[in-house]
Amino acid sequence: GAGVSQSPRYKVAKRGQDVALRCDPISGHVSLFWYQQALGQGPEFLTYFQNEAQLDKSGLPSDRFFAERPEGSVSTLKIQRTQQEDSAVYLCASSLVTGPQHFGDGTRLSIL
Amino acid sequence: DQQVKQNSPSLSVQEGRISILNCDYTNSMFDYFLWYKKYPAEGPTFLISISSIKDKNEDGRFTVFLNKSAKHLSLHIVPSQPGDSAVYFCAASYNTNAGKSTFGDGTTLTVKP
Repeated sequence: GAGVSQSPRYKVAKRGQDVALRCDPISGHVSLFWYQQALGQGPEFLTYFQNEAQLDKSGLPSDRFFAERPEGSVSTLKIQRTQQEDSAVYLCASSLVTGPQHFGDGTRLSIL
Repeated sequence: DQQVKQNSPSLSVQEGRISILNCDYTNSMFDYFLWYKKYPAEGPTFLISISSIKDKNEDGRFTVFLNKSAKHLSLHIVPSQPGDSAVYFCAASYNTNAGKSTFGDGTTLTVKP
């Protein structure tokens, strides 16, 4: 497809389980971003890659959150030992080096 | 401390009239500003942007105004159409938009037929 693809669209996990969220960016887009969006709020920055290099991970809320983009294309956001406060929509975006970000439709994560 | 604020959670406008959405920011290092539009269950879609070296940018029915001294920007939609009903997010970034964006909490626009 032409846009940013995220999977799964919905994920339900029990507290304490590990989850992995996938993002397939637009082909040729160098930059890839992960955001967390709580209900009624705007997206909050988590981390940013340029190709395979993670240039900024200042938004990751704890060491339970880990992101990778090993070949500079597909990225995975992993959350270990999930907690209820991790419930949110996780948005991935990609862009050229500069310019507007193109967002996927997100993964809605619910932790029971 | 929220660096980008959209103080109106919602706005209702009659079809054909002007919609004005407002956004304030606190960080004077921001040099690039964007508006995104979001429909339910979809990701935000880029609408229009403005660099800090400009005070106005226009694209069809959409115009963004930037007042750097007041740290304020606004999005004007003229004429408003029912299909414009969505959540609008203001965002700001550094380094001419290379890197992360900081978002406001959004304004829900409803355009009534």
